[in-house]
Amino acid sequence: DVKVTQSSRYLVKRTGEKVFLECVQDMDHENMFWYRQDPGLGLRLIYFSYDVKMKEKGDIPEGYSVSREKKERFSLILESASTNQTSMYLCASSQAGGVNEQFFGPGTRLTVL
Amino acid sequence: ILNVEQSPQSLHVQEGDSTNFTCSFPSSNFYALHWYRWETAKSPEALFVMTLNGDEKKKGRISATLNTKEGYSYLYIKGSQPEDSATYLCAFRSSNTGKLIFGQGTTLQVKP
Repeated sequence: DVKVTQSSRYLVKRTGEKVFLECVQDMDHENMFWYRQDPGLGLRLIYFSYDVKMKEKGDIPEGYSVSREKKERFSLILESASTNQTSMYLCASSQAGGVNEQFFGPGTRLTVL
Repeated sequence: ILNVEQSPQSLHVQEGDSTNFTCSFPSSNFYALHWYRWETAKSPEALFVMTLNGDEKKKGRISATLNTKEGYSYLYIKGSQPEDSATYLCAFRSSNTGKLIFGQGTTLQVKP
């Protein structure tokens, strides 16, 4: 059974804290993605990676960075969390090439106080 | 900026009703159109990936059609059941990029 896991389902942090969200996939997928989901806005792409140590900015990268040291793991980093980063964060992975569906993790609901 | 619109935003139907939603996307540089179902407290899961104009896909009581020339896709659910309650997301991929652009979703509530 294919699986994408995220380190936490719920997280509460304070403004200014450094926050790490971890994502692991067990499908040997080349591509990995980080999205955030806010009411009425749909999923918006923050960053994606198509290979180890490679990263590309998505549509809303400001305030975020990512790390991909191993193929199965993609981390999203909030360098200094702010209240406007309170959101649902979803990780996804897919095979490279062609038209491939993305497999999603269960999401992390982050609240920044 | 590529825009993907879904309508309606939410829908409440009775068990047994058939229903449909719309996804509108740019008609140029089309590469693929994805449909996902996202149930509460679960991960979004893929329903269909559609690539050809006129394509029709079916999975059980759920089916989808695609018109790339006019830039829309319909998702149909026949005889809705309470377990169909979820948010349905469509996502457009252009030929210029590997990224998916998601619509805001249609939330379906099926009352027993």
